[in-house]
Amino acid sequence: EAQVTQNPRYLITVTGKKLTVTCSQNMNHEYMSWYRQDPGLGLRQIYYSMNVEVTDKGDVPEGYKVSRKEKRNFPLILESPSPNQTSLYFCASSLIAKNIQYFGAGTRLSVL
Amino acid sequence: AQSVTQPDIHITVSEGASLELRCNYSYGATPYLFWYVQSPGQGLQLLLKYFSGDTLVQGIKGFEAEFKRSQSSFNLRKPSVHWSDAAEYFCAVERGSTLGRLYFGRGTQLTVWP
Repeated sequence: EAQVTQNPRYLITVTGKKLTVTCSQNMNHEYMSWYRQDPGLGLRQIYYSMNVEVTDKGDVPEGYKVSRKEKRNFPLILESPSPNQTSLYFCASSLIAKNIQYFGAGTRLSVL
Repeated sequence: AQSVTQPDIHITVSEGASLELRCNYSYGATPYLFWYVQSPGQGLQLLLKYFSGDTLVQGIKGFEAEFKRSQSSFNLRKPSVHWSDAAEYFCAVERGSTLGRLYFGRGTQLTVWP
């Protein structure tokens, strides 16, 4: 089954404790992206990647890192999480030519 | 500046009533246009898309949307709403200058009364 898988689905952590949210897709998509969703703000893009070893900042990259060492994986790294990073995070992937983005089920992160 | 505007934060309709959700964008050229739906606790699912051609596009679950270039709008419609349509709806655009990137509106929450 074609899908985008995020882990974990729920995460509670404390300020400053490094964490990684994983994202994996099995559709051989070149393009992958991370969004955060906050009430009243819709989805805002954090980082995106057009292919392996090619990443770029989205609209709200501060406090986040990403890497794209393999085509299927695109982890989101919070080196020193802060409470303002409490949010719902979505990973998405697509073929660049079609850009129909497929979304993961989301990761709800709480930073205390 | 907000590039994609969904002016209605929350809409309530009765089951069986018609529905129109508004979306306007502020780019000069015609972008690619999308509507996504997010059911509670779920990820986003594509309802329909417009790339070019016929300005009335059909999507899944009985939804349709009409692109109007003169109004920079891409409104989503459904003739008869079902209780299962209660969800949050997002309009999104992809600009030609930033191929691959989606810009989302802030969403419209739909409540359906029985």
